[in-house]
Amino acid sequence: EADIYQTPRYLVIGTGKKITLECSQTMGHDKMYWYQQDPGMELHLIHYSYGVNSTEKGDLSSESTVSRIRTEHFPLTLESARPSHTSQYLCASSEYAGGQGRVTEAFFGQGTRLTVV
Amino acid sequence: LAKTTQPISMDSYEGQEVNITCSHNNIATNDYITWYQQFPSQGPRFIIQGYKTKVTNEVASLFIPADRKSSTLSLPRVSLSDTAVYYCLVGVSYSGAGSYQLTFGKGTKLSVIP
Repeated sequence: EADIYQTPRYLVIGTGKKITLECSQTMGHDKMYWYQQDPGMELHLIHYSYGVNSTEKGDLSSESTVSRIRTEHFPLTLESARPSHTSQYLCASSEYAGGQGRVTEAFFGQGTRLTVV
Repeated sequence: LAKTTQPISMDSYEGQEVNITCSHNNIATNDYITWYQQFPSQGPRFIIQGYKTKVTNEVASLFIPADRKSSTLSLPRVSLSDTAVYYCLVGVSYSGAGSYQLTFGKGTKLSVIP
């Protein structure tokens, strides 16, 4: 089983609150990702990191921010939650086999289902 | 990142072999082809990865023709539990300095019918 963990699994929170979604992996992977997915819809990459102190925004614009201070930890923060942020957030990690020019298997966490009321 | 095209949905009866084809006409020389499976309310799970010809594991087979402009994921004797969305990913999107994105498309929704 993959060693990547997300907490909380479910979160219901009021508008305007600050929230942090946690993601940790114990595989030593350099690459980590955050995706947003609504039910039955596409996975959208919102943030990714290729190592400590490196973060980039993904294809989908997001009001959230991320940090990567330690290899194993990649938290996502919303400073002021709004109902439009209601969605499932998935964290993943992988290695990049640079010598082979390929991305190795990406492991996903169980996800956090966020509801902002 | 090579653009991929795969069917939006497919239906199959239990016990049948299912083949899902992905087109990737602008695949680069170094690009690998990777397939993921996603069940509702879960994150995607890696199924198989290949570069050319055929790759087989305990779950599926991946067929890649010589021109590598398409690939076919083959699931033998599907069961109801194979109902899921299947994503084809080709290559990575580079942003320089070792940074790259892992981007999923719309995928193929496979429905297995009893």
